[in-house]
Amino acid sequence: EAQVTQNPRYLITVTGKKLTVTCSQNMNHEYMSWYRQDPGLGLRQIYYSMNVEVTDKGDVPEGYKVSRKEKRNFPLILESPSPNQTSLYFCASSRLQTSTDTQYFGPGTRLTVL
Amino acid sequence: DAKTTQPPSMDCAEGRAANLPCNHSTISGNEYVYWYRQIHSQGPQYIIHGLKNNETNEMASLIITEDRKSSTLILPHATLRDTAVYYCIVRVRSGNTGKLIFGQGTTLQVKP
Repeated sequence: EAQVTQNPRYLITVTGKKLTVTCSQNMNHEYMSWYRQDPGLGLRQIYYSMNVEVTDKGDVPEGYKVSRKEKRNFPLILESPSPNQTSLYFCASSRLQTSTDTQYFGPGTRLTVL
Repeated sequence: DAKTTQPPSMDCAEGRAANLPCNHSTISGNEYVYWYRQIHSQGPQYIIHGLKNNETNEMASLIITEDRKSSTLILPHATLRDTAVYYCIVRVRSGNTGKLIFGQGTTLQVKP
């Protein structure tokens, strides 16, 4: 089954404690992306990657890092989380530049930073 | 990217067609109209997309006006499971091609 998986699904942590949210897709997609969703602000793109070792900032990259060492994985790293990073996070993937490049989203990771 | 305007909420009776409008009056010639939906904080789900012709798939139909300034998503026989937030997105097919700019969407409530 084609899918995007994220782990963990729920996480409560404290300010400053480094954490990683993993994202993996099994569709051999070139494009992967991270979004955060906050009430009243909708979904906003954090970082994206158009292929292995190619990453770039989205609209709200501050406080986040990513890496793309393998095509299937795109982890989101919070080196020193702060309460304003409490949010619902989604990973997404798609092929690039095809007429039907449907974007698939993961189930989400709800992060609370105390 | 062009902006979209959607009504914040709509109701629909179960079994009836749900018609969700979207205004995108500043759309450019190379921008596509995409529709996604999000069911209760789950990951957004792709529904359909189109450029200028009407499109239909197993989930829905997309009607785009001739001037492309607005479109309508049609769920032909809405069920309770179609209750969700529906996002109309205009997306350019160059550069950061995967980026989706989500607005506030329309909350569709399907009622029995």
